[in-house]
Amino acid sequence: GQQVMQIPQYQHVQEGEDFTTYCNSSTTLSNIQWYKQRPGGHPVFLIQLVKSGEVKKQKRLTFQFGEAKKNSSLHITATQTTDVGTYFCAGPGKAAGNKLTFGGGTRVLVKP
Amino acid sequence: NAGVTQTPKFRILKIGQSMTLQCTQDMNHNYMYWYRQDPGMGLKLIYYSVGAGITDKGEVPNGYNVSRSTTEDFPLRLELAAPSQTSVYFCASSFVTGKVAGANVLTFGAGSRLTVL
Repeated sequence: GQQVMQIPQYQHVQEGEDFTTYCNSSTTLSNIQWYKQRPGGHPVFLIQLVKSGEVKKQKRLTFQFGEAKKNSSLHITATQTTDVGTYFCAGPGKAAGNKLTFGGGTRVLVKP
Repeated sequence: NAGVTQTPKFRILKIGQSMTLQCTQDMNHNYMYWYRQDPGMGLKLIYYSVGAGITDKGEVPNGYNVSRSTTEDFPLRLELAAPSQTSVYFCASSFVTGKVAGANVLTFGAGSRLTVL
C-alpha cells in the first residue's frame, strides 16, 4: 500500500539556524498537505500543495512539492522557539480509500 | 463556531471495559474521521464517514465501531478495551466536494487521551 515517509524523525535545531524536513511517498500524489502539532496539542493545517514543482511560503516557512509529485519538503529559516512541535505531511492514500495518509512526522526541538 | 469538539479529554479504562468517545462538529462538514496517534508516532485512520448513515473502515478498524446518525455527530465505540488501544484519539472533519477526499483540509478536535490498564 501507499506509504508516506518523513525524515528526519527528530530534528534538534539551534535557535536562529535553518533546517529542512522531507516527505516521500511511494506513489504519485494528487496533492500534499502539511500540518503542525504543538506538544500536547492537535494537528493544525498549514498548507496544501497541488501543482508539480509548486513552492509556497508562509513567513519563515517554505514548502515545496516535487516535480514528480512524490516528495515534498518544508524549510524553516531562522528557527524560533515557537517552531517547536511535530510537522506532518499527508497525502491521499489508496489503503485508506483515498483519505489522507499521514507520515510519521518530524519532531522539532529548538535549543535556545 | 466551536469547530470539532471531543469528549472526554482524558479517560482511564480497565481491560474489557467499554466506552464511547464523542465527537461533534458545527461546520456542516460532510466527512468525519477518527484517527489514533500512538506515543511518538503519526496518525492512523480508524474509521471515516462520508455522510449521515454511511461509515467505512480505515487502516486500523479492529476493536472499534462507529455510527453516524446525524451530520454533526460521529461517536467512536470501544467494546472490549485492550492495552493496545492506549492512545490519543483525534476526531476530524472536512467538507468534500470532489472525488478525492484526500484533497480536502482536515479540521481536528483537541483529542481524547485514553489509557487502558
